[in-house]
Amino acid sequence: EDQVTQSPEALRLQEGESSSLNCSYTVSGLRGLFWYRQDPGKGPEFLFTLYSAGEEKEKERLKATLTKKESFLHITAPKPEDSATYLCARGIREKLTFGTGTRLTIIP
Amino acid sequence: GAVVSQHPSWVICKSGTSVKIECRSLDFQATTMFWYRQFPKQSLMLMATSNEGSKATYEQGVEKDKFLINHASLTLSTLTVTSAHPEDSSFYICSAAGQGAIREQFFGPGTRLTVL
Repeated sequence: EDQVTQSPEALRLQEGESSSLNCSYTVSGLRGLFWYRQDPGKGPEFLFTLYSAGEEKEKERLKATLTKKESFLHITAPKPEDSATYLCARGIREKLTFGTGTRLTIIP
Repeated sequence: GAVVSQHPSWVICKSGTSVKIECRSLDFQATTMFWYRQFPKQSLMLMATSNEGSKATYEQGVEKDKFLINHASLTLSTLTVTSAHPEDSSFYICSAAGQGAIREQFFGPGTRLTVL
């Protein structure tokens, strides 16, 4: 059974304290690993797509990396406005399967 | 970036009535649109995939007669929840994807449905 697992489930950081979120998947034939940010009561906001192992993408304080079995979302010197739930999803054909997300809270 | 809108943003209805939710891609043509539902503190679960001009493909366990999907144009898809019941209360989110081999999905803001 294909699965997408995210860890930790929740993470509280002090402002400026860097950390990483993990996304692991079990299905071969990956066609894209996607990262989204979701604020409460809103739809997910697209962040990154990674296609092949070794690929990295950056946007402001966020950097996403991909290996053969997992992806990391590194957050550097986070600010309170980075608080959100971060979702990863793996693409197979045209569908996305989402993980359960990491709820990130940045404390001022 | 690509913009997807949903209407309404929230709706409250009585049990047994039907509710229609619209999803529009505002600045690109979406060959495929997707409908998800999300329960509190849970992730998104795909309900169905719709391609313009053809019947929607529903995920296992999703009642096609209860959740009617129409994708009449490249910019509009609708989800109608028929004979809604309290257990249908949820957050419904649509997404739209353009063309290409690996297509990012861009999500709407969601619709909160509460069935009394």
